[in-house]
Amino acid sequence: DVKVTQSSRYLVKRTGEKVFLECVQDMDHENMFWYRQDPGLGLRLIYFSYDVKMKEKGDIPEGYSVSREKKERFSLILESASTNQTSMYLCASSFNDRNSPLHFGNGTRLTVT
Amino acid sequence: GDSVTQMEGPVTLSEEAFLTINCTYTATGYPSLFWYVQYPGEGLQLLLKATKADDKGSNKGFEATYRKETTSFHLEKGSVQVSDSAVYFCALRSNQAGTALIFGKGTTLSVSS
Repeated sequence: DVKVTQSSRYLVKRTGEKVFLECVQDMDHENMFWYRQDPGLGLRLIYFSYDVKMKEKGDIPEGYSVSREKKERFSLILESASTNQTSMYLCASSFNDRNSPLHFGNGTRLTVT
Repeated sequence: GDSVTQMEGPVTLSEEAFLTINCTYTATGYPSLFWYVQYPGEGLQLLLKATKADDKGSNKGFEATYRKETTSFHLEKGSVQVSDSAVYFCALRSNQAGTALIFGKGTTLSVSS
């Protein structure tokens, strides 16, 4: 079974802190993704990476950056956390094939106070 | 751009009732289509998929048929159970490799006994 592991289930940070969310997959997938999920807004794409060291902006990249130095790991960075970044963050991975589904981690619920 | 529209919930049903959750899409070319389910406190799980017109995806009693002429991918189940209570997301992946999933906003299903 594909396993996508997010390092933290719950995280509480203060405004202005730099925050790192880590995601690791074990299926040798080329593509990795970060989404955020908010009530009434569904899932919105923040960034994705179609291969190592490659990245593409999604729909809402402002205030975020990403890093993919190794194929299995994709990090989301909040440079200076703000209260409007309080949300559920979901990481996913897939093969580089349009027919391939995305496999999701269990999510990190981030609260910024 | 590509988009997915699904019926708003919540949908409230009694056990053994018939379920339909409507999903329509807008896309250039021929996307792949997916239904995901999210149980409380968990990440998204793939429920079923269809990758070309007239394909039927099925899993756990759920079905959906890729209708190119009506650009639809409605989710159906003949007899729902309390354990089906969850949030259901329709999604598409465009016909280019290395792209992300685009999601509908989700439909909450609540089944009572």
